[in-house]
Amino acid sequence: EAGVAQSPRYKIIEKRQSVAFWCNPISGHATLYWYQQILGQGPKLLIQFQNNGVVDDSQLPKDRFSAERLKGVDSTLKIQPAKLEDSAVYLCASSSDRSQPQHFGDGTRLSIL
Amino acid sequence: ELKVEQNPLFLSMQEGKNYTIYCNYSTTSDRLYWYRQDPGKSLESLFVLLSNGAVKQEGRLMASLDTKARLSTLHITAAVHDLSATYFCAGTNTGNQFYFGTGTSLTVIP
Repeated sequence: EAGVAQSPRYKIIEKRQSVAFWCNPISGHATLYWYQQILGQGPKLLIQFQNNGVVDDSQLPKDRFSAERLKGVDSTLKIQPAKLEDSAVYLCASSSDRSQPQHFGDGTRLSIL
Repeated sequence: ELKVEQNPLFLSMQEGKNYTIYCNYSTTSDRLYWYRQDPGKSLESLFVLLSNGAVKQEGRLMASLDTKARLSTLHITAAVHDLSATYFCAGTNTGNQFYFGTGTSLTVIP
């Protein structure tokens, strides 16, 4: 089966600019996650979707981060405006349901100048 | 919030030796996961532990779960160079939110 697809792989922007990441989960996976992984740390959950509804976004900095999953398939994560501390790898993962292990995409490495 | 702590953070071991990575968590967790991450790569699922006393093995890796002690272990038997990677454990709270540990960076020296 095809894995979780993410794009772009790399992005470099200046602070205060905006950026968007895209994720296409494994076909049929109802649960989709976005994580932020800062260098040397474990992934931190930003938002979790079940189909097109938000299950948890308690750790999402809502003043600058937003995410949507229209039609319950693809998802986008946006940062506007970006800050230096947003430099990280943004990982998308999906699972068939919340009790199953997650399948991760290759991530988007974001650098803020 | 579920806090997940791993130790050691860094581990250097010789090929052929055995070692254990520990994962402690702060509150009740229904499930415990182990993942592997190679440098510059994404995470790969290794084990899912669903109940107290659960033990799973794959090759040279064996994971166990003690929910009473809030402890999971990942035991490495007769390490080989291919096992060099960062290993993460993750738990879920009652709201099914995932919390990852800080990771254990394992280097196996020939």
